[in-house]
Amino acid sequence: DAKTTQPPSMDCAEGRAANLPCNHSTISGNEYVYWYRQIHSQGPQYIIHGLKNNETNEMASLIITEDRKSSTLILPHATLRDTAVYYCIVRSSNYQLIWGAGTKLIIKP
Amino acid sequence: GAVVSQHPSRVICKSGTSVKIECRSLDFQATTMFWYRQFPKQSLMLMATSNEGSKATYEQGVEKDKFLINHASLTLSTLTVTSAHPEDSSFYICSARSNYGYTFGSGTRLTVV
Repeated sequence: DAKTTQPPSMDCAEGRAANLPCNHSTISGNEYVYWYRQIHSQGPQYIIHGLKNNETNEMASLIITEDRKSSTLILPHATLRDTAVYYCIVRSSNYQLIWGAGTKLIIKP
Repeated sequence: GAVVSQHPSRVICKSGTSVKIECRSLDFQATTMFWYRQFPKQSLMLMATSNEGSKATYEQGVEKDKFLINHASLTLSTLTVTSAHPEDSSFYICSARSNYGYTFGSGTRLTVV
């Protein structure tokens, strides 16, 4: 069973920051949170991952709450090419990625 | 960065025939390979996990005799859909786990007619 809950869809204006929430209230202490995105009919693309601390890379920032029960992916300046389905995923102790339903993010001009 | 090459990208086959899908890790060794299936407008569903040189572990409800997985080397894993039927039509994706993390193939769109 998926360990994450995400809104099914979100809109964001081009050039604005896109903030995608994710709930993972049953996450265990050693389970990582991963974010991937998938553009239609392509393989998933890695975005970022973290355990406890906030993380930032060239694509996005990941904010994890102190109790680790939720996180937010931030795309700082969304472009039309960021339109995709974004998956918040928990990595289980046996290294499997447990996929949720994802959020369809639509960037509008 | 790490790249996984998945072939073919699209295949159409007749009902009752078998189809082989290949995933190769380029420039790195994949200790573990995951195979997923994705139906339209749905998330990825894990089918099986394979480690090089050992038998794959299948998820509940996935028929191991129908979906044959071979992981004979650290750079190659194959999924063979045997005696394919229209309900096997789906998007199949592999993922390699390594020191680089999880790298996904570009997927294979299988259509069984």
